Amino acid sequence: AQKVTQAQTEISVVEKEDVTLDCVYETRDTTYYLFWYKQPPSGELVFLIRRNSFDEQNEISGRYSWNFQKSTSSFNFTITASQVVDSAVYFCALKGGNNRLAFGKGNQVVVIP
Amino acid sequence: DTEVTQTPKHLVMGMTNKKSLKCEQHMGHRAMYWYKQKAKKPPELMFVYSYEKLSINESVPSRFSPECPNSSLLNLHLHALQPEDSALYLCASSYSSEGSGGQETQYFGPGTRLLVL
Repeated sequence: AQKVTQAQTEISVVEKEDVTLDCVYETRDTTYYLFWYKQPPSGELVFLIRRNSFDEQNEISGRYSWNFQKSTSSFNFTITASQVVDSAVYFCALKGGNNRLAFGKGNQVVVIP
Repeated sequence: DTEVTQTPKHLVMGMTNKKSLKCEQHMGHRAMYWYKQKAKKPPELMFVYSYEKLSINESVPSRFSPECPNSSLLNLHLHALQPEDSALYLCASSYSSEGSGGQETQYFGPGTRLLVL
């Protein structure tokens, strides 16, 4: 069974502060994929990143960065110098051998101007 | 282009109505999905179509009836819904529902907000 835990439900930050979203996962599969999606108030889930279980390289894309640590089963996401447009719900998700995407409960990020 | 479109954006229906939700993608993806999302919850998988065949039905009540007329189009027919079916219905597509690498990345549409009165 796949399980994704996002412990922080709502996080408020002042604009320009950094915010880190924690994602811890459980799976018995040796091959699996991890994802982050952003869901703004409009509702659409926007794909941000995919990582496979064999690729532990961290990644940076603009103000976004991801830290994948297989040893701790974590795939954390940092937004640097947050902006009001970053206000959204962020979901971490895992896909293993059962061909289903297991979502965490999501992190509601509120950026205060 | 990673666009999935859904119509309508909003839908209000009575419990005796019949309506349909439509989803379309032109990315050449062969897998399409329906999800249901209640407020402040993650999306829940309902159905998966792979190569126009239903491959996963997550024990969804028969008042929801999916249809995949071709590889680009996915419908969800609604009949005799209950107020608790009110939710955001999301469609997604991926190159494949199985396989490896980026083929499995699901791209989502903007959703249909459904209210059942």
